Amino acid sequence: AQKVTQAQTEISVVEKEDVTLDCVYETRDTTYYLFWYKQPPSGELVFLIRRNSFDEQNEISGRYSWNFQKSTSSFNFTITASQVVDSAVYFCALSEANLNFNKFYFGSGTKLNVKP
Amino acid sequence: NAGVTQTPKFRVLKTGQSMTLLCAQDMNHEYMYWYRQDPGMGLRLIHYSVGEGTTAKGEVPDGYNVSRLKKQNFLLGLESAAPSQTSVYFCASRRLPPGTGELFFGEGSRLTVL
Repeated sequence: AQKVTQAQTEISVVEKEDVTLDCVYETRDTTYYLFWYKQPPSGELVFLIRRNSFDEQNEISGRYSWNFQKSTSSFNFTITASQVVDSAVYFCALSEANLNFNKFYFGSGTKLNVKP
Repeated sequence: NAGVTQTPKFRVLKTGQSMTLLCAQDMNHEYMYWYRQDPGMGLRLIHYSVGEGTTAKGEVPDGYNVSRLKKQNFLLGLESAAPSQTSVYFCASRRLPPGTGELFFGEGSRLTVL
């Protein structure tokens, strides 16, 4: 079974629209960490955020915000007032602190196209 | 700060040829990983290492070998390249304690096997 599911394969929006990228995870561990990475067309993988399982506060960084809900095992990412530079593939990832702690589980990614 | 450096960045091989990808990190990280990325498949773990002299298999290890003779280097080898190994390869490292920190990625190495 997939530990991290990103059901949206590709999303297209027009600039200035808000967009939410969904991430659902699965784990039996009591302590775990969730991450988002951005992969722009240039190909590198850019770390965006890390949250631990004990901190359910939403986080905002400029136009980016993250909604972590343990009750639904989701860690969704919202871009407000999207810009063309936000066009990229976004990956959600999970790391378990106790079980399988050596590994890092990635979702299959969501490709975001922001059109001018 | 160099971070994680991969060489080479691009390589074209013929089927049956061998090659080695080198990953070097200057952050004194214990954990190192090799991933491959194929269209629509996300990132798949090939092999990883939890310290100098140790390696372990990931999801898709067949056709690859690795070595971690020095803490800062993690080598990925293809003994007999196949077209199915055409992919973009990413190396990553991670600090201790395990399970907590983010992965730091190299820029990727694009390999084409003809």
